[in-house]
Amino acid sequence: DIQMTQSPTSLSASVGDRVTITCRASQAISNYLAWFQQKPGKAPKSLIYAASNLQNGVPSRFSGSGSGADFTLTISSLQPEDFATYFCQQYITYPRTFGPGTKVEIK
Amino acid sequence: QVQLVESGGGVVQPGRSLRLSCAAFGFTFSNYVMHWVRQAPGKGLEWVAVISYDGTKVEYADAVKGRFTISRDNAKSTLYLQMNSLKPEDTAVFYCASAGSFYNALGDHWGQGTLVTVSS
Repeated sequence: DIQMTQSPTSLSASVGDRVTITCRASQAISNYLAWFQQKPGKAPKSLIYAASNLQNGVPSRFSGSGSGADFTLTISSLQPEDFATYFCQQYITYPRTFGPGTKVEIK
Repeated sequence: QVQLVESGGGVVQPGRSLRLSCAAFGFTFSNYVMHWVRQAPGKGLEWVAVISYDGTKVEYADAVKGRFTISRDNAKSTLYLQMNSLKPEDTAVFYCASAGSFYNALGDHWGQGTLVTVSS
């Protein structure tokens, strides 16, 4: 199975900050990488697919990049509604695997 | 309005069975591949199973293979997860989610989740 890691595990940031989260796969996955946002008590929300494509309705302050085994999710200017946990997931093969998550907290 | 509504969760003893349902509204269910994803309390997301448009192709996570069965009834626009031989480590919120194809990313349609608690 492909293992996914994320860093950092958590981070504290202020509104307006630029935030970058890293996701790494244990083997190359081309661009078969998705990002999800989850708020407490809510279902995950899809943000990005194919490493860099925003889902409909996702604000343009979110962006994704990377290919192969290393990927990043960037929030260009953190907004109050962005405080949440972010997960990456590879979908090049089954079983699909998620990263452990990165919690973005208010500083 | 697109909506996925899970049901069937509850408290069950180890070794017993439970069937989850996910009813789809507002879109053509048979045009979508469907997944189950779970989340243990305070933990991350874990992919569980997937089923193709017509139910002929399925895949499972190793942790549930041989115990869980995913199925669908397109006439009823409903997805199922039959869970047998339940273990305490199966305790989680179970979400259903759609995808455009067997090899696409999970889409932006998720249910609200249903909690399964396996405990004696």
